[in-house]
Amino acid sequence: DTGVSQDPRHKITKRGQNVTFRCDPISEHNRLYWYRQTLGQGPEFLTYFQNEAQLEKSRLLSDRFSAERPKGSFSTLEIQRTEQGDSAMYLCASSLGRSDTEAFFGQGTRLTVV
Amino acid sequence: AQSVSQHNHHVILSEAASLELGCNYSYGGTVNLFWYVQYPGQHLQLLLKYFSGDPLVKGIKGFEAEFIKSKFSFNLRKPSVQWSDTAEYFCAVNVYSSASKIIFGSGTRLSIRP
Repeated sequence: DTGVSQDPRHKITKRGQNVTFRCDPISEHNRLYWYRQTLGQGPEFLTYFQNEAQLEKSRLLSDRFSAERPKGSFSTLEIQRTEQGDSAMYLCASSLGRSDTEAFFGQGTRLTVV
Repeated sequence: AQSVSQHNHHVILSEAASLELGCNYSYGGTVNLFWYVQYPGQHLQLLLKYFSGDPLVKGIKGFEAEFIKSKFSFNLRKPSVQWSDTAEYFCAVNVYSSASKIIFGSGTRLSIRP
């Protein structure tokens, strides 16, 4: 399967712990996005990268959240000192980054903070 | 700021009924428009997209959407739904010139009675 891959698929953590998620985009895609989705809502934009540069961060992304894409390939999203409100599906998507292309989504990582 | 409105939160139809899901966006410039679908337990998949040209676009599985610039709308239609169309449908938009983040609506849950 050469689609967008996310790991892990599920994560249960205790409040206050740190968690890290990984996303492997489609290989030739230079743009990578992170979204968060809660039940009954559409995906909410968190941040995106053009190659290794983080071009935009949502105000939803508090100081406890950090994302990296060190070599312009895979990306990680870390949440420090998790809170129950962080429980959600975290989605990664990638695209060619041109004006006429769509984004392809991964299966997501479901985070449950207990 | 860009925003996307989907006014139908939950639509229930019988098989063979016609479908129209509303989508309005707020942005005055040139936009790319998308409809994504999320089947139960699966990841977001592109249903159809509009970048330019013919405002009536056809997607997979018999879906189509019409871009009406004067109404800032991009409604999704299907003449005859099937039970397998049961899913969550998301309208999305991004700004054409910058190929930036994609903004999603809150989604419409479609339930089809067999």
